[in-house]
Amino acid sequence: SYVLTQPPSVSVAPGQTAKISCGGRNIGSKSVHWYQQRPGQAPVLVVYDDSDRPSGIPERFSGSNSGNTATLTISRVEAGDEADYYCQVWDSSYDRHYVFGTGTKVTVL
Amino acid sequence: EVQLVESGGGLVQPGGSVRLSCAVSGFSVSTNYMNWVRRAPGKGLEWVSVIYSGGTTYYADSVKGRFTISRDDSENTLYLQMNSLRPDDTAVYYCARGVVAARPGEYFQHWGQGTLVTVSS
Repeated sequence: SYVLTQPPSVSVAPGQTAKISCGGRNIGSKSVHWYQQRPGQAPVLVVYDDSDRPSGIPERFSGSNSGNTATLTISRVEAGDEADYYCQVWDSSYDRHYVFGTGTKVTVL
Repeated sequence: EVQLVESGGGLVQPGGSVRLSCAVSGFSVSTNYMNWVRRAPGKGLEWVSVIYSGGTTYYADSVKGRFTISRDDSENTLYLQMNSLRPDDTAVYYCARGVVAARPGEYFQHWGQGTLVTVSS
């Protein structure tokens, strides 16, 4: 089955930039989507189709995808960005499964 | 306004059963790809099951043969029947609306607030 690997944690100072990687075999050929989950809350879609933002998501959230790595970038990080972040793709190679990354805890220092 | 509201969670004994519901407003479950996703304590998100608009269903290997996804179009409600429950099924279960992506597959645009299922004796 398809595996998406993320760093367990990323720490960043307020106002700086956080980059979260999502590694997968030939992930650049797939649409990658990103979710934010704050403690005790439901996940929220922050980027879809590699780099598009849903309405209401700040421009500070951006995404890219090429080769074997997709990246979520959070610019001008704020305290409210502290959360778990997950990448997600659809795996057509095995019974139409949806795959989430291992998750990254973003800590704002 | 789009709303998804889960219910039915609680404490269940190992080997027991429970049925989760997800009441939807703002769109029709019958014309959308509806999913269940869970998050176990201390773990990440795990996709559980999908029912497509045509009625086709798929399941994660971890629940195949034990869980059944269904919907009631007249009630605009999604269900997850969970049988032969195990302690490792303990999780918050979310229903989520799938939207077709630019390349093959879907993403989860709208989510409910989740319902906690605890499997323990």
